Amino acid sequence: GQNIDQPTEMTATEGAIVQINCTYQTSGFNGLFWYQQHAGEAPTFLSYNVLDGLEEKGRFSSFLSRSKGYSYLLLKELQMKDSASYLCAVRDQATSGTYKYIFGTGTRLKVLA
Amino acid sequence: GAVVSQHPSRVICKSGTSVKIECRSLDFQATTMFWYRQFPKQSLMLMATSNEGSKATYEQGVEKDKFLINHASLTLSTLTVTSAHPEDSSFYICSARVRLAGGSGANVLTFGAGSRLTVL
Repeated sequence: GQNIDQPTEMTATEGAIVQINCTYQTSGFNGLFWYQQHAGEAPTFLSYNVLDGLEEKGRFSSFLSRSKGYSYLLLKELQMKDSASYLCAVRDQATSGTYKYIFGTGTRLKVLA
Repeated sequence: GAVVSQHPSRVICKSGTSVKIECRSLDFQATTMFWYRQFPKQSLMLMATSNEGSKATYEQGVEKDKFLINHASLTLSTLTVTSAHPEDSSFYICSARVRLAGGSGANVLTFGAGSRLTVL
């Protein structure tokens, strides 16, 4: 089966750095995605990792270790607008070749002034 | 960029009625769309994978007869909640795979705006 875990909530201060961890177990791993979701809105794509290592994109970076089933999203220079839920998602490939995108529980980040 | 249009954004209905939610891919074709449900303060739960021209693939525990999915064309998928009850009240959101521009060329999910269903 599939299992994706993230912390439920995190709090950080404006201007700081925060790391949101994600651990996963899946049989047909084919990529890991991070999405941001503000309350009542659709998720928006942040980053994608399929190989081990760090992907950097402005204030956001994402890291993947496939052997450990682990990823993190790093947010630098936090701004108030970064207060949102951050969803870790794994693309899982079935033996039939079809893909599914499975989402973790999501981490609600609150940025304080 | 690729846009997925979903409507209605909000619907309130009486218990026992059916509600149809439409999801359209604008300026691109989507052979596959994914339908998710999200309860308050929870993550997205995959309900089914909609395939153009064939039957949808439902996740375990999702009632096929209650949540009817039709993917009649390469740009339109619909979810009909039949005989809705208060426990079906939720945020329903569709998505399609879009290929990223640039080096990775990965397929990422692009989401519709979501439909908030309230069943009285």
